[in-house]
Amino acid sequence: EVQLLESGGGLVQPGGSLRLSCAASGFIFSDYNINWVRQAPGKGLEWVSSISNSGGAKYYADSVKGRFTVSRDNSKNTVYLHLNSLRREDTALYFCARERTTEMDYWGQGTLVTVSS
Amino acid sequence: SYVLTQPPSVSVAPGKTATITCGGNNIGSKGVHWYQQRPGQAPVLVIYYDRDRPSGIPERFSGANSGDTATLNISRVEVEDEADYYCQVWDKTTDHREFGGGTKLTVL
Repeated sequence: EVQLLESGGGLVQPGGSLRLSCAASGFIFSDYNINWVRQAPGKGLEWVSSISNSGGAKYYADSVKGRFTVSRDNSKNTVYLHLNSLRREDTALYFCARERTTEMDYWGQGTLVTVSS
Repeated sequence: SYVLTQPPSVSVAPGKTATITCGGNNIGSKGVHWYQQRPGQAPVLVIYYDRDRPSGIPERFSGANSGDTATLNISRVEVEDEADYYCQVWDKTTDHREFGGGTKLTVL
């Protein structure tokens, strides 16, 4: 059974940092790109970042470029999202999702990031 | 960035057909994916590449894509279909993934 489990969310002050993790199981992890998608309270889905199966290609939404960094460790079946210089508008539920070709076929349940003083 | 436009809300009576649109410049040239998100839950893929259904998704869900509009149709709507629906594409010029703003489907 394919499973994705996010962790690492929490309360952080503006300007602070956080590292999110997405632990995968039930499939050959190194065969798939992984995306991060966030959802602010009461709002829609916003794509944040994508990392290729090898980790060699990384892409970011304009809203987070230069502040967030995505990485992966295929030996640990885990993708990370490093969040730096956090702003109040980064407050959201952060999902990781497996990408089959260009569609996201499996999603985790999300981890909540709250940026507040 | 590539912009996808969805109506904020659609209402339909049980047993009828719901149509949710997703507009974008020449979207017919792209593969469109649709997700269902029930309150408090993670999104679920219901249609990929315009019209294909993942296993476990009822045949009542169908899609089409042409010109500047993609559509998600849900026939014989049931109360359990009440949810938010999002369209999504891959923009090959930027390698960005783009979501529409979402449509709240209300089953009257």
